[in-house]
Amino acid sequence: NAGVTQTPKFQVLKTGQSMTLQCAQDMNHEYMSWYRQDPGMGLRLIHYSVGAGITDQGEVPNGYNVSRSTTEDFPLRLLSAAPSQTSVYFCASSYSLGETYGYTFGSGTRLTVV
Amino acid sequence: KNEVEQSPQNLTAQEGEFITINCSYSVGISALHWLQQHPGGGIVSLFMLSSGKKKHGRLIATINIQEKHSSLHITASHPRDSAVYICAVLMDSNYQLIWGAGTKLIIKP
Repeated sequence: NAGVTQTPKFQVLKTGQSMTLQCAQDMNHEYMSWYRQDPGMGLRLIHYSVGAGITDQGEVPNGYNVSRSTTEDFPLRLLSAAPSQTSVYFCASSYSLGETYGYTFGSGTRLTVV
Repeated sequence: KNEVEQSPQNLTAQEGEFITINCSYSVGISALHWLQQHPGGGIVSLFMLSSGKKKHGRLIATINIQEKHSSLHITASHPRDSAVYICAVLMDSNYQLIWGAGTKLIIKP
């Protein structure tokens, strides 16, 4: 049972380059989300999805696109990387069942934009 | 104004001490989440609670919904407990997590 698999773990991009951060989960969770973590700040929500074919913006969506064509996969695309997007990115999948909730996080992607 | 406030921001203690980390919030929530992040960066879910108290090993989490406050306690602390502890609340309006900035805990042997 792999949980949430995030790739790559590390990435260096030049300003203006594009790339896709991959996130896959094998727990059949409905909800998936992408966060970024910057020093001294809490995690901030970029985009989230409540199911296949449904995505929505979080707190800091600018510069990022997402899609959810399957329950398992939720890739995050940087269209034209900027130094301000240097951060650690976490993907999470979650479920809710009545008053029970569960969250599982990927191991993170450390992205540097130069 | 932060919707989720944690205190203290940093905490250094000796091995064996009883540790308390506090979390206050100002929004309506469905549940509150305590998580642990080690220096390597991985995030692990410790507890998710919407009322009362939960215990797992040496970790205890409590929540007071009326006072909008939660505490995470660590008994008989050990150097391996050194990590950042993060409080996050699941908003009842949109089921999204709002995160605190974290408490960096160092336990000295």
